[in-house]
Amino acid sequence: LAKTTQPISMDSYEGQEVNITCSHNNIATNDYITWYQQFPSQGPRFIIQGYKTKVTNEVASLFIPADRKSSTLSLPRVSLSDTAVYYCLVTNNQGGKLIFGQGTELSVKP
Amino acid sequence: EAGVAQSPRYKIIEKRQSVAFWCNPISGHATLYWYQQILGQGPKLLIQFQNNGVVDDSQLPKDRFSAERLKGVDSTLKIQPAKLEDSAVYLCASSLTDGTEKLFFGSGTQLSVL
Repeated sequence: LAKTTQPISMDSYEGQEVNITCSHNNIATNDYITWYQQFPSQGPRFIIQGYKTKVTNEVASLFIPADRKSSTLSLPRVSLSDTAVYYCLVTNNQGGKLIFGQGTELSVKP
Repeated sequence: EAGVAQSPRYKIIEKRQSVAFWCNPISGHATLYWYQQILGQGPKLLIQFQNNGVVDDSQLPKDRFSAERLKGVDSTLKIQPAKLEDSAVYLCASSLTDGTEKLFFGSGTQLSVL
């Protein structure tokens, strides 16, 4: 599976839009991009998954350009409760193991 | 819908002792995963089960770690003997199938080896 690269940390303020970009240069044709969120003392929680273009749900949006070598998780109007670590994963349906990188630690300040 | 259940929530042991963690996945989820998460790092996959068969255990330190999933439902992860570097959170996750299906994680067991 493709290796992912994302910033180690990001700071933001309440009410701002936060965009976290993930690089996955070696993504394969049948790979998906999946994002998880992890709060302290909890297991990761699925946020969103996409294959191409744009996916939106009640929590976030995921933007994937045509070449699919990167993706951007967009969190609209963050609040203090969005402070967490966000992981980008590349997954497929061929039994490949799900590998978490170091993630991006997002800190939202008042 | 009940989530992934793990116990115990916390465990403190001395090095060279043994310890076991239990996981009950979401009903109907065929795939079960055990991850190890050391403080400040992302979760590291230890073992993946599909029903009661092992799909991947390439990163499981087999000299001291063992895991089983009898009857394809709940699972137990054991460490014997424990080392100081085993101090971590042990996370169990389950999914309907592997691959693109989303994982549901338990809250984990925090292990401290003294």
